[in-house]
Amino acid sequence: AQTVTQSQPEMSVQEAETVTLSCTYDTSESNYYLFWYKQPPSRQMILVIRQEAYKQQNATENRFSVNFQKAAKSFSLKISDSQLGDTAMYFCASTQGGSEKLVFGKGTKLTVNP
Amino acid sequence: NAGVTQTPKFQVLKTGQSMTLQCAQDMNHNSMYWYRQDPGMGLRLIYYSASEGTTDKGEVPNGYNVSRLNKREFSLRLESAAPSQTSVYFCASSDKDSIFISSYNEQFFGPGTRLTVL
Repeated sequence: AQTVTQSQPEMSVQEAETVTLSCTYDTSESNYYLFWYKQPPSRQMILVIRQEAYKQQNATENRFSVNFQKAAKSFSLKISDSQLGDTAMYFCASTQGGSEKLVFGKGTKLTVNP
Repeated sequence: NAGVTQTPKFQVLKTGQSMTLQCAQDMNHNSMYWYRQDPGMGLRLIYYSASEGTTDKGEVPNGYNVSRLNKREFSLRLESAAPSQTSVYFCASSDKDSIFISSYNEQFFGPGTRLTVL
């Protein structure tokens, strides 16, 4: 079965600093999509950033960027200039079996400290 | 444009009771999903519907049934609730019909339903 692994259950960072969340995945597909979702205490799932596997260039969205290493099946999320509002659970996800279905990692709880 | 809506937001059931969780989306998406989220487990797919009239089992389908009533609505039914079904349930939708839109393949989530089975 396809798996997504987030090896850091919890992390903390000081406000304005940079933090990197790790994610590895396992797939036999040649093309697939990778996502990072944020879940703040409100429980709402919010898309942070997405990466298409056939694109070599790493995706960026304002303070959020990814380091996509296709051969290593690694997809880490870097948050620059961390803000208090970044405190949340972060989930890495990968499309599954060539379909739109997603497989999620177990999440990383990020706390941004003032 | 409400996106994905779910009802109810909270529910408490007794073991053996039945209930239906409702989900609707107004984005004209073809695909809809039901997930459950348990502490330390991430989100796990219960059922999936690629289009109106079709449904497919996900990772954890036992104890659940679904119905894709029309393109907008996708309901999840617990016929005989068990304490192991205590969880937060999320509905989501997505659309892969056009690769030219920026939200291609992105799943949009509802606000979730917190269900407790006593």
